[in-house]
Amino acid sequence: DSGVTQTPKHLITATGQRVTLRCSPRSGDLSVYWYQQSLDQGLQFLIQYYNGEERAKGNILERFSAQQFPDLHSELNLSSLELGDSALYFCASSLRQGPEKLFFGSGTQLSVL
Amino acid sequence: GDSVTQMEGPVTLSEEAFLTINCTYTATGYPSLFWYVQYPGEGLQLLLKATKADDKGSNKGFEATYRKETTSFHLEKGSVQVSDSAVYFCALYTQGGSEKLVFGKGTKLTVNP
Repeated sequence: DSGVTQTPKHLITATGQRVTLRCSPRSGDLSVYWYQQSLDQGLQFLIQYYNGEERAKGNILERFSAQQFPDLHSELNLSSLELGDSALYFCASSLRQGPEKLFFGSGTQLSVL
Repeated sequence: GDSVTQMEGPVTLSEEAFLTINCTYTATGYPSLFWYVQYPGEGLQLLLKATKADDKGSNKGFEATYRKETTSFHLEKGSVQVSDSAVYFCALYTQGGSEKLVFGKGTKLTVNP
């Protein structure tokens, strides 16, 4: 058990809908990272937050947004969903700003039908 | 930009066979190098890392040596077990660069008894 909790584990929705994925980092970790894993693209970095502030941005679509709350949990919002958004979304946390050692949650499997 | 290239999978071995998974990288700057492992149905876990040239990372019988001259970080294990069946990801991070952990596409290993 990595100590990183992601909910829900599975999500099935329709095109055009909006969903929210939630992540609770390990106790004491200040950084939260979001990754998207798909068969064709592999693991793609989406965004990082450190202590409530956006720290780095990767290949995140404009339809996607995220935030980190004062209690350090994070949410990833995906809107106007398309079939191609179907993927496994991972959250990871680390103590410091840099990703020298990431602890991953078990992911949220999103299926857009 | 920074990138990681891993050998294409899948790799299928018999128990007690020798394992090598090749990884080469391109980076602007002096990266730290990592191997992560993903067991079925789980998130990624850090397996080992190396932060400077000629460093050898090791864990659970796995080893990888940071070779700056060949920009490589190949993963090896002398005798694999069925429990090593998983997907292995090579990754790099350059402090002061893109500030993100860049992953290879992963190599699926299956070990048969």
